[in-house]
Amino acid sequence: DTGVSQNPRHKITKRGQNVTFRCDPISEHNRLYWYRQTLGQGPEFLTYFQNEAQLEKSRLLSDRFSAERPKGSFSTLEIQRTEQGDSAMYLCASSFEGDRFTKLFFGSGTQLSVL
Amino acid sequence: DQQVKQNSPSLSVQEGRISILNCDYTNSMFDYFLWYKKYPAEGPTFLISISSIKDKNEDGRFTVFLNKSAKHLSLHIVPSQPGDSAVYFCAASAVGSSNTGKLIFGQGTTLQVKP
Repeated sequence: DTGVSQNPRHKITKRGQNVTFRCDPISEHNRLYWYRQTLGQGPEFLTYFQNEAQLEKSRLLSDRFSAERPKGSFSTLEIQRTEQGDSAMYLCASSFEGDRFTKLFFGSGTQLSVL
Repeated sequence: DQQVKQNSPSLSVQEGRISILNCDYTNSMFDYFLWYKKYPAEGPTFLISISSIKDKNEDGRFTVFLNKSAKHLSLHIVPSQPGDSAVYFCAASAVGSSNTGKLIFGQGTTLQVKP
């Protein structure tokens, strides 16, 4: 399977705990994105990387959120001191920089539930 | 503020008939538009796109129409099939962001195609 892979698929945690999600993009894609989707809404942009550089962060990404892509391959998204409002589907996507207009290829997401 | 709006949360059509999904946007800087389809427990899958220099793009059973003066686009599916039942998201990107992957999504429309 050469698609975007996300782990875990589901995560249940207690408020105040830290969680970390992993994303493995399509191998030849050098751009990687994190989006968040809540019930009844479309995905919302959080941040994106080109290779290992984090080029843009949304104001939705509070100080409790940190994303890394240390070697320009896989990425991790960590949420510290989780809150119930963090409950959402966290989607990772990747794309190839050379495309004139970018099409994103999404993973199946990590569903986070904060109790 | 919701820059991309899908005002119909759901749509039900009979197999073989036409499905028309609508999307409105407010930002005149948007120059690239995409439709994604999402099945339960999966990430969004790219369906079709259109740049602002065109008013129509067709791919098999799927056609997207863009009316820039009305800031409106629509997705036509002809003929509709039960396998088309999914949530459909309209997305847009602004000038300068079209090749970065920063997409603004609508809330989604759930399409049900009845056999």
